[in-house]
Amino acid sequence: GQQVMQIPQYQHVQEGEDFTTYCNSSTTLSNIQWYKQRPGGHPVFLIQLVKSGEVKKQKRLTFQFGEAKKNSSLHITATQTTDVGTYFCAGRSSGGYQKVTFGTGTKLQVIP
Amino acid sequence: DTEVTQTPKHLVMGMTNKKSLKCEQHMGHRAMYWYKQKAKKPPELMFVYSYEKLSINESVPSRFSPECPNSSLLNLHLHALQPEDSALYLCASSQLTSGRTDTQYFGPGTRLTVL
Repeated sequence: GQQVMQIPQYQHVQEGEDFTTYCNSSTTLSNIQWYKQRPGGHPVFLIQLVKSGEVKKQKRLTFQFGEAKKNSSLHITATQTTDVGTYFCAGRSSGGYQKVTFGTGTKLQVIP
Repeated sequence: DTEVTQTPKHLVMGMTNKKSLKCEQHMGHRAMYWYKQKAKKPPELMFVYSYEKLSINESVPSRFSPECPNSSLLNLHLHALQPEDSALYLCASSQLTSGRTDTQYFGPGTRLTVL
């Protein structure tokens, strides 16, 4: 079945440093979504990428979808303590549009 | 209103109990989902309902029984659970737009403990 891996598993950064998490799928994706889950919370939708090579920005967050539509990345510039949480990518395969497979997640800790 | 609500927030049950988890959305979404999330793991899909019909069952044990009474409500009936079923149970909904752009919105979850 489809597998979606993320690296790194954990990342500790000093406040103000940048952060990047990478997402890799074993199969080609029709789209990819990114979610943030705060400790004790639930996944909150951040963004969706659909087109090959697509880049989207939300303030300090930059999201990329790979040309082959098998990988994606999330980059945070100048992290803040409010960025703490686990970031999940979630990929939808071409065949079953209702089924989304979540990546393994990257837990971000920001040290003030 | 972009909210998905779930009740109860917390549930503790014995292995012989029968309980139900409830989920509600009023966004007019036509797909609803149940996910299970263990600590430090990603959410795992359990069931999908599309237009109130079960469309995906990810080989979930029969001690979990989903029900979709109408387009706004989704239940998960629990019976004879095992301690390893303790987890955060998340409900989500989506509009069922063209497949490539459908976005899922999650509820706050029910934290279930099976003793």
